Amino acid sequence: QVQLVQSGAEVKKPGASVKISCKAFGYRFTDHYMHWVRQAPGQGLEWMGNINPTDGGTTYTQKFQGRVTMTRDTSTGTFYMDLTSLRSEDTAVYYCARDKVNWNDVFEHWGQGTLVTVSS
Amino acid sequence: DIQMTQSPSSLSASVGDRVTITCRASRSINSYLHWYQQKPGKAPKLLIYGSSSLQSGVPSRFSGSGYGTDFTLTITSLQPEDIATYYCQQSYSTPPFTFGGGTKVEIK
Repeated sequence: QVQLVQSGAEVKKPGASVKISCKAFGYRFTDHYMHWVRQAPGQGLEWMGNINPTDGGTTYTQKFQGRVTMTRDTSTGTFYMDLTSLRSEDTAVYYCARDKVNWNDVFEHWGQGTLVTVSS
Repeated sequence: DIQMTQSPSSLSASVGDRVTITCRASRSINSYLHWYQQKPGKAPKLLIYGSSSLQSGVPSRFSGSGYGTDFTLTITSLQPEDIATYYCQQSYSTPPFTFGGGTKVEIK
């Protein structure tokens, strides 16, 4: 079955960068875009962007342009999300999420989430 | 960007009650509206896609309806395990794929 396994929690200082991984199991890696969604403590869900696993093409929401980079490693079936110039407002749980079959941009499968804490 | 507005932001109902949550889009999104359930400390779970299609494995007491800008999620008979926060999300046209602000459902 489909499984998305994310890397563990991170604690970072303001101004630092964080790179989160999301390893995909149970389906053909290149068949589905991967999305990244974040959730600040006690807040709602925020879509950050996505990546095409076939060619690595990305789309980022304007809020994160210039600070976020999404990549993938086809040899290991792993996706990455790199966020730079961290500030306290970036403290959140970050999820990777995969499309539903035949329904692009509907998030059927989710990773377990990675908590990133930004604190001096 | 398309804005999604959910109401109410929270509600309290008794077990067995019918619960309705609404979601309004800032412009027409046809039927590209989806609903998720999130329990504390867990990832969201897809409940309804395409406005009214029930995701496999989701109990039939959940249903969705709507088209264009106005949508509803209905729980016909609230159960204790339905305590969660519910989010709508649109996937119409180009990104960003925005979520509503969420509706927290509690037991009275």
